[in-house]
Amino acid sequence: QVQLVESGGGLVKPGGSLRLSCAASGFTFSDYYMSWIRQAPGKGLEWVSYISSSGSTIYYADSVKGRFTISRDNAKNSLYLQMNSLRAEDTAVYYCARDRPWNYAKPFDYWGQGTLVTVSS
Amino acid sequence: EIVLTQSPATLSLSPGERATLSCGASQSVSSSYLAWYQQKPGLAPRLLIYDASSRATGIPDRFSGSGSGTDFTLTISRLEPEDFAVYYCQQYGSSPYTFGQGTKLEIK
Repeated sequence: QVQLVESGGGLVKPGGSLRLSCAASGFTFSDYYMSWIRQAPGKGLEWVSYISSSGSTIYYADSVKGRFTISRDNAKNSLYLQMNSLRAEDTAVYYCARDRPWNYAKPFDYWGQGTLVTVSS
Repeated sequence: EIVLTQSPATLSLSPGERATLSCGASQSVSSSYLAWYQQKPGLAPRLLIYDASSRATGIPDRFSGSGSGTDFTLTISRLEPEDFAVYYCQQYGSSPYTFGQGTKLEIK
């Protein structure tokens, strides 16, 4: 069965950095785009970034562009999000989600359980 | 960027009633690439509907989606107690992907 398990969240000071990881299993990881989506406390969902199956295509939300870097290691079935210059407004639960297959459009059909990032002094 | 606006923000209904949730897009959604998710407190969202009207695996047939272009609807034909949750629409036809702000379906 498909499983996505995030890790790496925690408390960080404004201006600090954090690296999130997502371990995938139960499907051919290298066939799928992957995304990060976040949810601030009590708020709605905000898509953050996606990376294509090969890693050659990457897209970011304007709110994180230039500060966050998405990457993947298909040999390790893992997705990453490097978050730098963190701000209070980055406080959220961060979910990794399985995105579209490489060859057609599909929404997020599997999500991890989420990892909480808190940016506070 | 396509802005999605959901209405109403809160919907108060009783079990057994019919729920109709709306999602309007600021511009046409490519190929009806519109999805609906259900989220319960403390849990990740669950995919209900994709391509505007296709039910995801394991989703009961009381959930249905319709619409095209800029106007989309999620209908729950007869509410069960477990259906009370927050619902989000999302477009995945163009980057950046965007979500609506959510509709909270609460027990009346």
